[in-house]
Amino acid sequence: TQLLEQSPQFLSIQEGENLTVYCNSSSVFSSLQWYRQEPGEGPVLLVTVVTGGEVKKLKRLTFQFGDARKDSSLHITAAQPGDTGLYLCAGEGSGTYKYIFGTGTRLKVLA
Amino acid sequence: NAGVTQTPKFQVLKTGQSMTLQCAQDMNHEYMSWYRQDPGMGLRLIHYSVGAGITDQGEVPNGYNVSRSTTEDFPLRLLSAAPSQTSVYFCASSSRYSATARDTIYFGEGSWLTVV
Repeated sequence: TQLLEQSPQFLSIQEGENLTVYCNSSSVFSSLQWYRQEPGEGPVLLVTVVTGGEVKKLKRLTFQFGDARKDSSLHITAAQPGDTGLYLCAGEGSGTYKYIFGTGTRLKVLA
Repeated sequence: NAGVTQTPKFQVLKTGQSMTLQCAQDMNHEYMSWYRQDPGMGLRLIHYSVGAGITDQGEVPNGYNVSRSTTEDFPLRLLSAAPSQTSVYFCASSSRYSATARDTIYFGEGSWLTVV
């Protein structure tokens, strides 16, 4: 059974601080995705990483896929209140179409 | 653009009742799935389908049935509702063949289900 564990589970920080969220598994994934979910809505895709060691930047967000394609991290620079939400990683076992989601990190950025 | 449409948005069931959550997508996606999300938690995969006529179990399939008779529709049936099935249910779709959004999972707005 493929599992994706995220840490930390909860994070409350002040505006302007930096933070890193981790997504770890003992399984290899063909790709990993990061989503953000706001209350009352479905998750929305932020980024997809597909190559081991790949780094992608989306404004103040930096995503990295581990070399062995078993883990990923999301780093936010100078967090803003608009970054508040539930961050979810999701991975697909190679060619299976079976997308498994992580346990989630709930981020709150205080003004 | 409708995207993924789920109905109903809210439902209260009594223990033992059955019901069907409807899901439709208009993006011609081959992949559709159902997830449940418990309070403050991530999403757990219930069932998924890689095309019409093909379905498979996810992480938590017990108590749920699905069918995929068309590309567009993927209903989720609760056979005999239990309080443990109280949750928010999300239908999702994606395509490996989209030129602009390959493998992006699009979610419906969610169905809030309470079993009393």
